[in-house]
Amino acid sequence: GQQLNQSPQSMFIQEGEDVSMNCTSSSIFNTWLWYKQEPGEGPVLLIALYKAGELTSNGRLTAQFGITRKDSFLNISASIPSDVGIYFCARGGSNYKLTFGKGTLLTVNP
Amino acid sequence: DGGITQSPKYLFRKEGQNVTLSCEQNLNHDAMYWYRQDPGQGLRLIYYSQIVNDFQKGDIAEGYSVSREKKESFPLTVTSAQKNPTAFYLCASTGSSTDTQYFGPGTRLTVL
Repeated sequence: GQQLNQSPQSMFIQEGEDVSMNCTSSSIFNTWLWYKQEPGEGPVLLIALYKAGELTSNGRLTAQFGITRKDSFLNISASIPSDVGIYFCARGGSNYKLTFGKGTLLTVNP
Repeated sequence: DGGITQSPKYLFRKEGQNVTLSCEQNLNHDAMYWYRQDPGQGLRLIYYSQIVNDFQKGDIAEGYSVSREKKESFPLTVTSAQKNPTAFYLCASTGSSTDTQYFGPGTRLTVL
């Protein structure tokens, strides 16, 4: 199946720092989704993007759907300890199936 | 409250036994999905169902079976044919005409 490249694999940052992660695909798609997963829990939807160039915010989180429709970025500003978790990107495909990136593990040091 | 429930949270089984994981949603969503997650890995699709009484294999369906007799329910059976069943299993659902999936809390299956 189609692959998503998500980077970085992991990040270790200090509280208060900004964070940026991204996903790229070799193909064009119409939907990009960003999820956060905490240990032992299911992923929770953070932001959904449906249009090329779309920039959407959810509190301290901002995500953008790349103009080429092959990539997406998630930024977290002024990180706090509860931002810790794994962040997944996902892109929509045929039959409403999603393909997921392998995730970015975020650790925030207080 | 509307949402997706999975039970149990933790499940232990002996090797060679079949086990069924429950997934129920009251969101009136048409499509439901089962994923498997291994440490350090993304989510891999096992089976999905877009309507009642119909389901399709995902990328790693071997050793698993599902049924969709009711819109609200999509149970997953991990059979003895699954060679490495210990994993975290996630159920998701989505409404019609949308890619946005919502996940349950997951079931951690450990086969001893």
